[in-house]
Amino acid sequence: DTGVSQNPRHKITKRGQNVTFRCDPISEHNRLYWYRQTLGQGPEFLTYFQNEAQLEKSRLLSDRFSAERPKGSFSTLEIQRTEQGDSAMYLCAIPPRYAGNTIYFGEGSWLTVV
Amino acid sequence: AQSVTQLGSHVSVSEGALVLLRCNYSSSVPPYLFWYVQYPNQGLQLLLKYTSAATLVKGINGFEAEFKKSETSFHLTKPSAHMSDAAEYFCAVSVDTGFQKLVFGTGTRLLVSP
Repeated sequence: DTGVSQNPRHKITKRGQNVTFRCDPISEHNRLYWYRQTLGQGPEFLTYFQNEAQLEKSRLLSDRFSAERPKGSFSTLEIQRTEQGDSAMYLCAIPPRYAGNTIYFGEGSWLTVV
Repeated sequence: AQSVTQLGSHVSVSEGALVLLRCNYSSSVPPYLFWYVQYPNQGLQLLLKYTSAATLVKGINGFEAEFKKSETSFHLTKPSAHMSDAAEYFCAVSVDTGFQKLVFGTGTRLLVSP
């Protein structure tokens, strides 16, 4: 149990459609991270939240991507006008409940754009 | 900028043999280093982490890694491979514990034969 639930686990969409992924931490965490992992690569940082504030965004996060964390609990990652290059696994991660300099990943949401 | 290099995209061992997965890092400040494991179609699971305490770090499933500053390395080892160890392994570095942003290597796929 990673303490993070992600939905949907798999999504196949046509190019040009919008998709939204959701991340639900099981318990309260002030920080929440999004990473993207393409086939054959390691995860790459996309963005992170401190409570409801989005504090940093990677240059990988184009204008078609938007992430939110209302009320500082769950988070959503929306991709508008999907492109085939968006096909990847989108991973949500949270730090330990108490002090600890690492992060724990959810199971991820696979996106396939056809 | 911080980075990690994983030598060998694939490593094959026989069951019962020593596992050695290589990771070299680049960082201008003392790094925090991590190994994660990823099973097919799943998220990443933390194996172990180095955070400037003991240089020999023991993790889950019998894995351990040794931080060698002089060699800028953080290789992952396990004395005896098990079939269930077959997975993708990622080395990662972080230099900001407050931020917990990780930079990952490209991964090494471990294949275990009977």
